Amino acid sequence: KNQVEQSPQSLIILEGKNCTLQCNYTVSPFSNLRWYKQDTGRGPVSLTIMTFSENTKSNGRYTATLDADTKQSSLHITASQLSDSASYICVVSPMNTGFQKLVFGTGTRLLVSP
Amino acid sequence: DAGITQSPRHKVTETGTPVTLRCHQTENHRYMYWYRQDPGHGLRLIHYSYGVKDTDKGEVSDGYSVSRSKTEDFLLTLESATSSQTSVYFCAIGSDGQAFFGQGTRLTVV
Repeated sequence: KNQVEQSPQSLIILEGKNCTLQCNYTVSPFSNLRWYKQDTGRGPVSLTIMTFSENTKSNGRYTATLDADTKQSSLHITASQLSDSASYICVVSPMNTGFQKLVFGTGTRLLVSP
Repeated sequence: DAGITQSPRHKVTETGTPVTLRCHQTENHRYMYWYRQDPGHGLRLIHYSYGVKDTDKGEVSDGYSVSRSKTEDFLLTLESATSSQTSVYFCAIGSDGQAFFGQGTRLTVV
């Protein structure tokens, strides 16, 4: 069964510090992997999308990496800000399927403390 | 929010009553989706549409129906709401390359 597992479930860090969120998946083959940010009470917003052939993708202070051999991805947040407090969701798209077959992780809830 | 509006944003309803949630888009996108989000679960697809009057079931479609009579509107109906349908519902538009989510509807069935 295609699965996406994220760790940790929740994380508290001090403002200004860096952190790394993990995503392990069993989806194979896959076409792309996405990271979404979801603020409380809002819908998910795309941060990065990587194809299976890409190793890294950046969006400002957010950098996603992908290791297709180990089926792992990480999202690194640099110099965290209070506004980074949110849930971060890893999503994998199986190869040759549409958006309707996306496999979602349960997310990591990040709290950035002043 | 990429021109996606969900209504209502919050609703409390009684068990056994019908409920309809609306998703309206201004992007003229062909594909639209309804998801539910529950603690401990990733977003789960309920139904999706690939054009006017063209819909298909998702992973958790039991107890739900949808309709799409216009490109811009996608309706999700709970024919007879149950407590297990208490959830946050998200509409999305897009395709494999990129997708956008609405702000969600929090539905409580009491």
